[in-house]
Amino acid sequence: NFMLTQPHSVSESPGKTVTISCTRSSGSIANKYVQWYQQRPGSAPAIVIYEHNRRPSDVSDRFSGSIDSSSNSASLTISRLKTEDEADYYCQSYDNNNQGVFGGGTKLTVL
Amino acid sequence: VQFQQWGAGLLKPSETLSLTCAVYGESLSVFNWHWIRQSPGKGLEWIGKVTHRGSTDYNPSLKSRVTISIDTSNNQFSLKLTSVTAADRAVYYCARDSPSAAGFWGWGQGTMVTVSS
Repeated sequence: NFMLTQPHSVSESPGKTVTISCTRSSGSIANKYVQWYQQRPGSAPAIVIYEHNRRPSDVSDRFSGSIDSSSNSASLTISRLKTEDEADYYCQSYDNNNQGVFGGGTKLTVL
Repeated sequence: VQFQQWGAGLLKPSETLSLTCAVYGESLSVFNWHWIRQSPGKGLEWIGKVTHRGSTDYNPSLKSRVTISIDTSNNQFSLKLTSVTAADRAVYYCARDSPSAAGFWGWGQGTMVTVSS
């Protein structure tokens, strides 16, 4: 099976833009949809991006997603950072049997 | 949709983990229903799913020990994991997907399960 690799942590200042990467170890990143979840302490994950770059209607437009086939990776970009964006972020995709696979998570610190 | 999860939170090695997730606000007959766990060492791990028709699909790494079942009359679904060890210590979440979009769209509150002798 494949792995999704994320940086352990990233940090940025309020008002700035941060990008979190998610690299697929084998198989094309474009062939299976990538989702992104936000998880605040003590809460369950909540989806913020689905199908590579689609945003649920209740998620701020400061969140965007993309994929890059050349690096076989997906990215979550959060612009105009707010302290409330501080959380863990997980990417997720599917294997050839359409079973869910998650990245290891990235802790975003907004300082 | 809202979920209510329950089940034993402290188990001894070799016992069977048993969790139930009741669903409110939606019928089980529409979506697929999943169990996902989160442990400090392994992050989020998809355990398996049950369809509204009762078909199941399991993570190969857990398949020999997992059973997921659905009870449409009570609008709930359940997870059983046999022969637990310390490696099964995790927060267990129930979740649902969507017929029109990829991903996991609703999550339960999570149940912490500890395995200790």
